[in-house]
Amino acid sequence: QQKVQQSPESLIVPEGGMASLNCTSSDRNVDYFWWYRQHSGKSPKMLMSIFSNGEKEEGRFTVHLNKASLHTSLHIRDSQPSDSALYLCAASPPSFSKLVFGQGTSLSVVP
Amino acid sequence: DPKIIQKPKYLVAVTGSEKILICEQYLGHNAMYWYRQSAKKPLEFMFSYSYQKLMDNQTASSRFQPQSSKKNHLDLQITALKPDDSATYFCASSQGTPSGNTLYFGEGSRLIVV
Repeated sequence: QQKVQQSPESLIVPEGGMASLNCTSSDRNVDYFWWYRQHSGKSPKMLMSIFSNGEKEEGRFTVHLNKASLHTSLHIRDSQPSDSALYLCAASPPSFSKLVFGQGTSLSVVP
Repeated sequence: DPKIIQKPKYLVAVTGSEKILICEQYLGHNAMYWYRQSAKKPLEFMFSYSYQKLMDNQTASSRFQPQSSKKNHLDLQITALKPDDSATYFCASSQGTPSGNTLYFGEGSRLIVV
């Protein structure tokens, strides 16, 4: 069964610092990766998606994808306390009808 | 305004009872899903429907039964409730399958079984 592994499990960064989160899929058929953010007590909301090898930047957030290693990473620069949340990586193979989520990385940004 | 409405937001149920979780989406999507999240497990896929037909089912127990009366409705009936069923149940929807299409989540129904 497809698994999505995230690391680290938790991360503490100072305000203004850089947060780096990792994610790897065990299924070689995966074609699409998403990053979702879930604030405490709220529902997950899509942050960024990446489908092609390389890098994608949106504001303070940058996502990398290496399809050969099925590895994606999310980098948050100039981290803010409001970035404190659970970050979920998700993957979907092209022929499947579900999105599989990793266990998440809990990010805390401290002043 | 929330585009995916889940009801109820919170509920407490007695072991052995039955509950129905309601989900309606107003995004015009044709695919709907149920996920479960608890402290013990990550966000866990349960069911997916497309045009009111079951696409995928990862729930081993028949105590969980999805019900789709309309294209934009996907309810979840849970029978013979157990304390282990305590979790937040999220409904989601997408335009087409997850292959390249973003899933949007409702605010969740938090179930506590005592």
